[in-house]
Amino acid sequence: SQKIEQNSEALNIQEGKTATLTCNYTNYSPAYLQWYRQDPGRGPVFLLLIRENEKEKRKERLKVTFDTTLKQSLFHITASQPADSATYLCALTYGNQFYFGTGTSLTVIP
Amino acid sequence: DVKVTQSSRYLVKRTGEKVFLECVQDMDHENMFWYRQDPGLGLRLIYFSYDVKMKEKGDIPEGYSVSREKKERFSLILESASTNQTSMYLCASIPQGSYNEQFFGPGTRLTVL
Repeated sequence: SQKIEQNSEALNIQEGKTATLTCNYTNYSPAYLQWYRQDPGRGPVFLLLIRENEKEKRKERLKVTFDTTLKQSLFHITASQPADSATYLCALTYGNQFYFGTGTSLTVIP
Repeated sequence: DVKVTQSSRYLVKRTGEKVFLECVQDMDHENMFWYRQDPGLGLRLIYFSYDVKMKEKGDIPEGYSVSREKKERFSLILESASTNQTSMYLCASIPQGSYNEQFFGPGTRLTVL
């Protein structure tokens, strides 16, 4: 079965720096890879999607890369702010199935 | 503004009780999902439904059943609640033919004593 690994350790960074989160997967590459944000006690909220034939996607301060050779996606938040503190989940889509990583907890320190 | 709502934010039940978790979406989506989320395990799919009265087992269906009598409503049923079903339960929906963004509800934190 598909295994998805995200940074297992919580990530603490200084305000204004770039946060980089990692999502690695085994087996075959998904059709789509998505990133979600989840705040404590809340449901995940969709942020960005990247297709298997895309290398990079941007949205405001967010950037996602997708390397099917390395079987890895990187999620960047530039000019990070304390309000960016949350857990970030990656999700892979194969057909009608979604597989989620366990998430990386990000804390941006003022 | 699209919305997925869940009947309760917090729920406390006793072992052996029958528990109903309700999910309603107002986006006319065909596909609906139930997940549970536990620390270190991430989101795990319990059941999903791609149409009214249709259901498919996910990765961890044991101890659960579902009901989809109307398009907008997807119910998760714990036939006889057990302490290992204490968890955060999340409902999500997406339109037919689109396997991109899932819209999640706010979650139900269920505690079984």
